[in-house]
Amino acid sequence: DAKTTQPPSMDCAEGRAANLPCNHSTISGNEYVYWYRQIHSQGPQYIIHGLKNNETNEMASLIITEDRKSSTLILPHATLRDTAVYYCIVGGDYNYGQNFVFGPGTRLSVLP
Amino acid sequence: GAGVSQSPSNKVTEKGKDVELRCDPISGHTALYWYRQRLGQGLEFLIYFQGNSAPDKSGLPSDRFSAERTGESVSTLTIQRTQQEDSAVYLCASSLASGGLLHFGNGTRLTVT
Repeated sequence: DAKTTQPPSMDCAEGRAANLPCNHSTISGNEYVYWYRQIHSQGPQYIIHGLKNNETNEMASLIITEDRKSSTLILPHATLRDTAVYYCIVGGDYNYGQNFVFGPGTRLSVLP
Repeated sequence: GAGVSQSPSNKVTEKGKDVELRCDPISGHTALYWYRQRLGQGLEFLIYFQGNSAPDKSGLPSDRFSAERTGESVSTLTIQRTQQEDSAVYLCASSLASGGLLHFGNGTRLTVT
């Protein structure tokens, strides 16, 4: 079973920020939060990951709560090309195989 | 540089036939994963290879499924006596070591008629 829960779907207006939540209440102290996205007919693509501190890269920002039980992926200015399924997973350097569980994710639709 | 390459991109086969799916990981990546993704669903873990260690086969759904990996290079996933429920996209991913930064191929779409 997935160690994370996400809403099944979300809509966002083009040009606005998309905020995708993820709950991971059973996360262990040394497990990271990873975000991937999957655009139709492609393999999942890594977006960002973090441990405790908030992170930002050219694609997105990741906000992790202080208790680390939840996080939010932020796409600051969503475009139509950001329409995809977004997956939140948790794992650490010791995790492998079946411990990387991709649940159904959140289907984000960016609307014109 | 080159990413994870999977072949074929599409495969249509008749029920009962055997199929082989190929994955070429990124050079130097010691870890390799196979996942199955049925239409509209999330990724289902199948098998994991890490270096020369024994593979983690705990996700293989039946003994019709098997996989091999030659050293730290190419892997093949074999499905024997295919069934219609085997129809799915089979995704391969590799990473430098165990850990969550996975690089995925674009998958092989298998259709069993």
